Amino acid sequence: ETGVTQTPRHLVMGMTNKKSLKCEQHLGHNAMYWYKQSAKKPLELMFVYSLEERVENNSVPSRFSPECPNSSHLFLHLHTLQPEDSALYLCASSQALAANTGELFFGEGSRLTVL
Amino acid sequence: AQTVTQSQPEMSVQEAETVTLSCTYDTSENNYYLFWYKQPPSRQMILVIRQEAYKQQNATENRFSVNFQKAAKSFSLKISDSQLGDTAMYFCAFMYSGGSNYKLTFGKGTLLTVNP
Repeated sequence: ETGVTQTPRHLVMGMTNKKSLKCEQHLGHNAMYWYKQSAKKPLELMFVYSLEERVENNSVPSRFSPECPNSSHLFLHLHTLQPEDSALYLCASSQALAANTGELFFGEGSRLTVL
Repeated sequence: AQTVTQSQPEMSVQEAETVTLSCTYDTSENNYYLFWYKQPPSRQMILVIRQEAYKQQNATENRFSVNFQKAAKSFSLKISDSQLGDTAMYFCAFMYSGGSNYKLTFGKGTLLTVNP
């Protein structure tokens, strides 16, 4: 199994749909992250969880709703999205926030297209 | 706020040659980390190399090395003996090493193509 697994790899949805992205890490890490990657823009940090508690919500619109039921799983629930939300959504994990060395372990991403 | 600038959106190099990717950053902090991450096509982003700002010696990982110029706030990546598998997006990133030290600030990336 790869360290960080994301599903689905590709998702097309209408603006009125509700869908979820899933991330699972098999590395025993305590911190998990959602990033948004858009073309020709730096990666944008969306949410950070440490030991299942949200520690960062980086001014993300409420149409994105994260959930972290345990330290191995992270979800991003999507509803009433806009076309500009189309992007690659990356999940990452790290050992812990405290004494963080900055090494993130990324999944392959979920490519989202909003029609 | 920290900013990271990668001035080369795209670069190409012939297999077996050497290429240098540029990165500059802006910060008022003195203690921080710098990183180069690699994102191959349709594959996971991985850490290539890390530099701690307090270390004067440039970090090296096999064919990858950096030229860290703290006063100039420059952090370039040199890839020696380029291989086809080096084709990827390369992201330079910064992280403050104190306080809320989990936020990485990324540049926009440089797309490197290694040609046979």
